Amino acid sequence: AQKVTQAQTEISVVEKEDVTLDCVYETRDTTYYLFWYKQPPSGELVFLIRRNSFDEQNEISGRYSWNFQKSTSSFNFTITASQVVDSAVYFCALSEGINTGTASKLTFGTGTRLQVTL
Amino acid sequence: DSGVTQTPKHLITATGQRVTLRCSPRSGDLSVYWYQQSLDQGLQFLIQYYNGEERAKGNILERFSAQQFPDLHSELNLSSLELGDSALYFCASSVGTTSGEQYFGPGTRLTVT
Repeated sequence: AQKVTQAQTEISVVEKEDVTLDCVYETRDTTYYLFWYKQPPSGELVFLIRRNSFDEQNEISGRYSWNFQKSTSSFNFTITASQVVDSAVYFCALSEGINTGTASKLTFGTGTRLQVTL
Repeated sequence: DSGVTQTPKHLITATGQRVTLRCSPRSGDLSVYWYQQSLDQGLQFLIQYYNGEERAKGNILERFSAQQFPDLHSELNLSSLELGDSALYFCASSVGTTSGEQYFGPGTRLTVT
């Protein structure tokens, strides 16, 4: 069965610090997608990134970067020079069954609450 | 704005009642997913529809049901409500069945008293 673990329940940093959110996953599939979503205090879930299991290249988008390591089943998310607006709960998620055309339901981790203060 | 709309935004009802949550997917998306977010269970997948047909079921209670209509909007029906059904219910949509990228609506906060 698929499983996503976000061991960090809550992280507090001061603005401009770098912060890394950890995500470890378990799956028996060889083809899968990994995701990060942001849930700000307003409650909506905002899509940040999707990564295919075949693509282990790291990705950078502005202050955000993602490190995917298949060998350790990890998909970590780093925010550089954090800002107060980054305060939110961040969820890592996994989707299996890509090749078989079965459901692409998302299995979410428990989330990491990031608090960025001045 | 993800392009996915959900109504109502908030819903307060009593135990034993029945409610209907509505979702309109992004233009062009054929798949609709329903998720429940509660403090004790976290974010859990309930059910998926693709172009009007049920494609997958997750941890959805028998008291809950859903459907997707020809115009692709979806409704989640919750009946015989219990206090424990209080949660944030999200709808998400994607283009296909396995595309991966799911865009979420703003959610419906259900409070059962």
